[in-house]
Amino acid sequence: AQSVTQLDSQVPVFEEAPVELRCNYSSSVSVYLFWYVQYPNQGLQLLLKYLSGSTLVKGINGFEAEFNKSQTSFHLRKPSVHISDTAEYFCAVRFNFNKFYFGSGTKLNVKP
Amino acid sequence: GAGVSQSPSNKVTEKGKDVELRCDPISGHTALYWYRQSLGQGLEFLIYFQGNSAPDKSGLPSDRFSAERTGGSVSTLTIQRTQQEDSAVYLCASSLATDEQYFGPGTRLTVT
Repeated sequence: AQSVTQLDSQVPVFEEAPVELRCNYSSSVSVYLFWYVQYPNQGLQLLLKYLSGSTLVKGINGFEAEFNKSQTSFHLRKPSVHISDTAEYFCAVRFNFNKFYFGSGTKLNVKP
Repeated sequence: GAGVSQSPSNKVTEKGKDVELRCDPISGHTALYWYRQSLGQGLEFLIYFQGNSAPDKSGLPSDRFSAERTGGSVSTLTIQRTQQEDSAVYLCASSLATDEQYFGPGTRLTVT
């Protein structure tokens, strides 16, 4: 069965520190990979996506993610976080052009 | 262009009543999804429509929930005999075959 795992439900971090939010998926078949962000009391918006090409993908607000096929991972990183990055982050995978599977979300809490 | 729209934005209903939630996807998008997000929780997949294929109903929590998509466009999610545990934000998203999902603003359902 297809699945997406976000191991960390909550990640506390101090402002200006680096952060990595982990995402692993179940299968090495053709995949499209996405990270969405949901700011408090707002809807979901796309942060970045991997469809093909370079395995390092850059998104909005200084975030980037790296597709690692052998480890079936798509971890999200930012070298220096801001208070405004406090939000919930969702990893999503589309297997074989089929439906999307979402992870359970990681709540990033940036402290001053 | 227009994004995904949902109506109503807020719905308050009494326990035991039926409700209908509407989603207007982006024109030309072949895939449509319904999700539920309870307070402080992640995304719970409900149902997925792809073109003219039979919908994937594997996420519907009970037979009180149903959805249809007319003419490959507008979708309606119906909840019969609402219960307090149905209170949540219901999100609709649409996509092309090989692209990201675009989310609507959601309908906040409150069952009193």
